[in-house]
Order: sequence, then structure tokens, then C-alpha cells
Amino acid sequence: QVQLVQSGAEVKKSGASVKVSCKASGYTFTTYGISWVRQAPGQGLEWMGWISAYNGNTNYAQNLQGRVTMTRDTSTRTVYMELRSLGSDDTAVYFCVREGQTGTTVYFQYWGQGTLVTVSS
Amino acid sequence: DIQMTQSPSSLSASVGDRVTITCRASQSIDNHLNWYQQIPGTAPKLLIYAASALQSGVPSRFSGSGSGTDFTLTISSLQPEDFATYYCQQSYNSPRTFGRGTTVDVK
Repeated sequence: QVQLVQSGAEVKKSGASVKVSCKASGYTFTTYGISWVRQAPGQGLEWMGWISAYNGNTNYAQNLQGRVTMTRDTSTRTVYMELRSLGSDDTAVYFCVREGQTGTTVYFQYWGQGTLVTVSS
Repeated sequence: DIQMTQSPSSLSASVGDRVTITCRASQSIDNHLNWYQQIPGTAPKLLIYAASALQSGVPSRFSGSGSGTDFTLTISSLQPEDFATYYCQQSYNSPRTFGRGTTVDVK
């Protein structure tokens, strides 16, 4: 079965960086893209960006351009999301999500368990 | 960016009730609309994709309809496990945007 297992919770100081990992199993890794979605405490869902597991192409949300980098390692079937220059408003649960596609419709089919990143001053 | 507006933001209902949640896109998104359910403390779960297709394993009391700008998620007979927050999301273009969510709680 498809599984996405994320790294553990992180506590970071303002201005620091965080790198969250997402290890995939149960499917052909390079066939599907991975998105990252975050959720601040008590808030809704925010799409952060996408990476192709096939060739590493990326597409980032404009408000995070320059602060976020998504990479993948096909040998370990792992995707990484690094966020730099952290501020208090980056405190959130970060989810990796494997896409599914039917026809031209793409959807977030499988979700990791989430990684809580807490930014303190 | 395409804005997704959900209504209501919250509703109170009883087991057995029929529940309807609406989602409006700021421009036409054809049928590129997905619905998710989130129980507090857990990851969201895909319910409906392409506006009306039921994800495998999701009970048939959930249904979706609509196209263009106006969409609806219906729960035909609310069950205890359905008390949760529901989000719509468009995949017509990037950035993928979500509605702000509709919380269904106990009346």
C-alpha cells in the first residue's frame, strides 16, 4: 500500500532553516509528483509547491519563492522540503502529498502523517 | 490566483441529517475540483475528485456535483464519524488553492 512517512517534529529559532523529509513506498516512485501542503494552528490548508519525482522539476507558491527548495533522492525514494529564514508565521504542520491523476484532473491522493515545525523567537 | 469560497464556514447537524456544503471558484475551473475531509489531529483525506468521482473506499453517502464555478458536496445521511472539517480545492491551475473549510459539528 502507498505510504508516505515524514520526519519528526522540529523546533527552530526565528531566522533558521528547517528540512523535512518524506519517504515514499508502495508505488513506482518516479511516476507521481509530490506536493507539500502546510497548515498553521487552527487554520486552513496552504499549498506550498510541487516536485516531479521523475526529473526533479519544481513549481513553488509565489509567496514562498526564494525561501523554499524541494528536492528528491530517487535512490532512497525520499523527497525533501527545506524552508529558510523562518518566522513565527511558518509555525505549522507540514504535509507531503502524493498526487493522483484521472484524465486531466490532479488530486492529492495520499498524505503523509504531517510534521510539526515550531518557530520560536 | 483562483479564489475558492466555501459556505457555510461552519454548520451544526445531527446524525441522519442531509448536509450540503458549497464551493465557488473565482473563475471557471471546469470540473477540476476536489473535496477533502479532515478530522482534528489527522491528515486530510480525499473524498471526491473531478467534482463528482468518489474516491475508492469512501462511503456512498458522500457525493459531489457541479462544474464551472459552482460546486456542492452532499452527505446524504450524516454519521458520527462525519463530524469533521471539509475543504474544497481546485486543480485547474497553479497555485493549487483550497477553500477555507467548513466545520460540521454536533447540533
